[in-house]
Amino acid sequence: KAGVTQTPRYLIKTRGQQVTLSCSPISGHRSVSWYQQTPGQGLQFLFEYFSETQRNKGNFPGRFSGRQFSNSRSEMNVSTLELGDSALYLCASASPRDRVTGELFFGEGSRLTVL
Amino acid sequence: GENVEQHPSTLSVQEGDSAVIKCTYSDSASNYFPWYKQELGKRPQLIIDIRSNVGEKKDQRIAVTLNKTAKHFSLHITETQPEDSAVYFCAASIGDYKLSFGAGTTVTVRA
Repeated sequence: KAGVTQTPRYLIKTRGQQVTLSCSPISGHRSVSWYQQTPGQGLQFLFEYFSETQRNKGNFPGRFSGRQFSNSRSEMNVSTLELGDSALYLCASASPRDRVTGELFFGEGSRLTVL
Repeated sequence: GENVEQHPSTLSVQEGDSAVIKCTYSDSASNYFPWYKQELGKRPQLIIDIRSNVGEKKDQRIAVTLNKTAKHFSLHITETQPEDSAVYFCAASIGDYKLSFGAGTTVTVRA
């Protein structure tokens, strides 16, 4: 079974630009979450989607947005990039049963550098 | 929202010794506590988890304990090996797939 796939793996942008990251979950997984990972900050929750609906949202500004498609693939978008947005963005999929939190399967991440 | 604090931030142990990482959480409604291991340049992977109706769980050399009253939980690794060197993250959730992670502990096992 293929794992969680994220594209692109690396990208460099300049301040003010916008970026779109893509995540393909494990086949059959309908929950997709996004996390921002920076040194010393751990993983910060961005949002979680299930069946094309955003169920949870973290404490990030409105410049961070996401969506999920009918095939469970997800995208996240960051507009008006700032230097502080430089980070590893991790996507994780899960197969929730009765909304009980279980194991997250992470992708390898998209490393964004903002210059 | 939930706040998870993790200590220590770095831990160096001699091969064969034990390693202990401690986390505290703020939301008494949290009921799920996983631990993830992230090796250098790789993705985080679940190594063990515990739910609030259990006080302790063990899987070979790894064990997790939970104290709901004190709102803290710990990861214990016994007989450490070089392959245990990694960053370990604790997390807490109220059961809604919104995980709050600690800042991570970098474990180095010295040969």
